[in-house]
Amino acid sequence: GENVEQHPSTLSVQEGDSAVIKCTYSDSASNYFPWYKQELGKGPQLIIDIRSNVGEKKDQRIAVTLNKTAKHFSLHITETQPEDSAVYFCAATAYGQNFVFGPGTRLSVLP
Amino acid sequence: DGGITQSPKYLFRKEGQNVTLSCEQNLNHDAMYWYRQDPGQGLRLIYYSQIVNDFQKGDIAEGYSVSREKKESFPLTVTSAQKNPTAFYLCASSQGWTGELFFGEGSRLTVL
Repeated sequence: GENVEQHPSTLSVQEGDSAVIKCTYSDSASNYFPWYKQELGKGPQLIIDIRSNVGEKKDQRIAVTLNKTAKHFSLHITETQPEDSAVYFCAATAYGQNFVFGPGTRLSVLP
Repeated sequence: DGGITQSPKYLFRKEGQNVTLSCEQNLNHDAMYWYRQDPGQGLRLIYYSQIVNDFQKGDIAEGYSVSREKKESFPLTVTSAQKNPTAFYLCASSQGWTGELFFGEGSRLTVL
């Protein structure tokens, strides 16, 4: 079955700097890779996603890149702000079946 | 507004009692899921249902039960057989193959 690894587990950056979180997956059949942001005591919210037919996707300060050959994908946050502080999860799935999540990255943006 | 509603948000129970967590969605999604989240950890799949009257066990189904009698509802029962039930429980739904998974706000269960 699919296995998703995520690094780093914690990340601290200064406000205004960039943050990068990386995930690797094992199942070449996976074709959809979402990223979720979870604030304390709340459910995860989808912030960006990418499908296997695309190499990069950007939405304002957030971008995701996918390397199918190496089976890894990354979340990039530029110009970080204190409200970006949260736990971020990556996931992988094949056609919406059986989402497998990474263990999460706790991002702290220091003022 | 469309979304997923979980209730209750907080629940306290004594050991040995069964508890049922509610999950309702008005997104008209076919698939619904229950995940468990422990402090500092990722999401682990308990049960999922791709269609009404059908559901499958996830990675950690022991001590839990579900039903899917209606498309919009997917309640989870945490039974007394669950060894360590204290956790944050998340319900989610998706429209099958499109892949986008939407979560509720979660239910925090504490067993005293």
